Amino acid sequence: DTGVSQDPRHKITKRGQNVTFRCDPISEHNRLYWYRQTLGQGPEFLTYFQNEAQLEKSRLLSDRFSAERPKGSFSTLEIQRTEQGDSAMYLCASSLEQGQKLFFGSGTQLSVL
Amino acid sequence: RKEVEQDPGPFNVPEGATVAFNCTYSNSASQSFFWYRQDCRKEPKLLMSVYSSGNEDGRFTAQLNRASQYISLLIRDSKLSDSATYLCVVNGISNFGNEKLTFGTGTRLTIIP
Repeated sequence: DTGVSQDPRHKITKRGQNVTFRCDPISEHNRLYWYRQTLGQGPEFLTYFQNEAQLEKSRLLSDRFSAERPKGSFSTLEIQRTEQGDSAMYLCASSLEQGQKLFFGSGTQLSVL
Repeated sequence: RKEVEQDPGPFNVPEGATVAFNCTYSNSASQSFFWYRQDCRKEPKLLMSVYSSGNEDGRFTAQLNRASQYISLLIRDSKLSDSATYLCVVNGISNFGNEKLTFGTGTRLTIIP
């Protein structure tokens, strides 16, 4: 499968714990995005990488959130000291060029108890 | 005002009927537009891009009205398999000069046998 892959598919954690998600984009795509989606809402932009550079972060991304893409390939999204409000689907997407369509991964469903 | 607005529905439509959705956007400088489809508990997938001249793909027709800042999606001869959430996506430039894709909340469509 050469699509965008995300790991894990599901994560259940207790409030206050740290979690880390991984995204492997399509190999030739240099643009990588993280979105968050809650029930009944569309995906909300979190952050964007072009190669290894994190070019933009949403106001939604508090100090507890950090994302990296160290070699311009896979990316990780870490949430520290999770809160119940962090429960959501975290979607990763990649694209080849500006204006090109996004290819999404299957997402990581986070539940914070 | 939200950047991208959609009627969340639900739209319950008999099989074989024609159904249309509209989506409005607030940023007149927005550059490109898309419709994505999202099945329950799945990732969004590109349905079609929306071009200024309007475009058609089988039973699906997309239109763009820049003057009134809305895009539309028309589905003819609807099938049971068309049941999904349809997300309007607008591509513009963020305050930092980066590409920014903004999703609407989605319109839920159910086709009734």
